[in-house]
Amino acid sequence: QVQLVESGGGVVQRGGSLRLSCAASGFTFSGYGMHWVRQAPGKGLEWVTFIPYDESDTKYADSVKGRFTISRDNSKSTLYLQMNSLRAEDTALYFCVRGGGFDFLTLDNWGQGTLVTVSS
Amino acid sequence: EIVLTQSPATLSVSPGERAILSCRASQRVSTYLAWYQQKPGQAPRLLIHDASNRAPGIPARFSGSGSGTDFTLTISSLEPEDFAVYYCQQRSNWPLTFGGGTKVEIK
Repeated sequence: QVQLVESGGGVVQRGGSLRLSCAASGFTFSGYGMHWVRQAPGKGLEWVTFIPYDESDTKYADSVKGRFTISRDNSKSTLYLQMNSLRAEDTALYFCVRGGGFDFLTLDNWGQGTLVTVSS
Repeated sequence: EIVLTQSPATLSVSPGERAILSCRASQRVSTYLAWYQQKPGQAPRLLIHDASNRAPGIPARFSGSGSGTDFTLTISSLEPEDFAVYYCQQRSNWPLTFGGGTKVEIK
């Protein structure tokens, strides 16, 4: 079955950096687009970024554009999120999500998330 | 960006009753709309994609309808495990956006 396991979260100071990882298994990782979605404590869901299976055209929410970078290593079935210039409002649980459907934009399998806390 | 407005924010329902949740888009999204369920302490789970198609393993009591700007998720007869928060999400335009959620609570 599909498994997505995030890691790399933690407490970081404002302005700092953090790199999240997501280890995928149970499916052909190289054939799917992948997303990061976040959820601030007690709040709703916010889509963050998307990478196609071939890394051809990445997409970002305006709130993270220029600060976050999504990447993948298909040989390791691993997704990454490099987060720089972190702000208090980036504090959230970050979910790694597989993109399903013909356009990979239906969020069909979710990891359990990794918590990022930005302290001031 | 496309804004999705969910209503009501909270729905109080008794087990066995029907629940009807609404999602309205600020512009037309065709049928590029999905519904997710999230229970406390858990990741969201895909229920419905393309407005009306149940995801694998989702019980038949969950159904979705709508197109354009107005969408509905119906739970025909609430089971105890259905009390959760439900989100809609559109994939018609970038950025992908979610509604603010509807909490279905026990009456």
